[in-house]
Amino acid sequence: QKEVEQDPGPLSVPEGAIVSLNCTYSNSAFQYFMWYRQYSRKGPELLMYTYSSGNKEDGRFTAQVDKSSKYISLFIRDSQPSDSATYLCAMYSGGGADGLTFGKGTHLIIQP
Amino acid sequence: DSGVTQTPKHLITATGQRVTLRCSPRSGDLSVYWYQQSLDQGLQFLIQYYNGEERAKGNILERFSAQQFPDLHSELNLSSLELGDSALYFCASSVAPLGGPYNEQFFGPGTRLTVL
Repeated sequence: QKEVEQDPGPLSVPEGAIVSLNCTYSNSAFQYFMWYRQYSRKGPELLMYTYSSGNKEDGRFTAQVDKSSKYISLFIRDSQPSDSATYLCAMYSGGGADGLTFGKGTHLIIQP
Repeated sequence: DSGVTQTPKHLITATGQRVTLRCSPRSGDLSVYWYQQSLDQGLQFLIQYYNGEERAKGNILERFSAQQFPDLHSELNLSSLELGDSALYFCASSVAPLGGPYNEQFFGPGTRLTVL
């Protein structure tokens, strides 16, 4: 079992829909949770960052973390064709020197 | 544009060869990370340097090595290349190393390595 599981998709939804992207993880030491967006042939860029459990909202994006269930989500409201990309969840413990642990990414397609 | 530069963009080589990938971090960033992205494994952390010193190792093979120079640019050396090493290699940089509150990592555009 990988440390972080993420459905690779593709997930195809019509423009304007609410999108829900999810990851589950097994390492209870993870405290910092991120969502990155990666367009084709580009490097990942940070979308949202959350520490511990709770919700965080930024414009059309909402990140949720449920540490008790080891489950994190990203919601996109009023989805746009420009949101079409691969979304990667990432996390780390913060307790020492280590890199980010990523999910494999979900390929999202927003149909105009 | 993240401010992180990587060269070359593409690299095609043969099995058994050695290549060097180069990364220049954002101005002011002291920490450099290397990641490998493949279809089957996803994005995997390889190694981190902070101000010239190795800080953390992830899933880096013994055939791979890296270093960070006094001007803070970093190089990833891949030797005895195998077909399975074909992947996208990303460099990222941040102001400070991981450990404690998250410091955003800014990713470069990547180097696509093809081993034939």
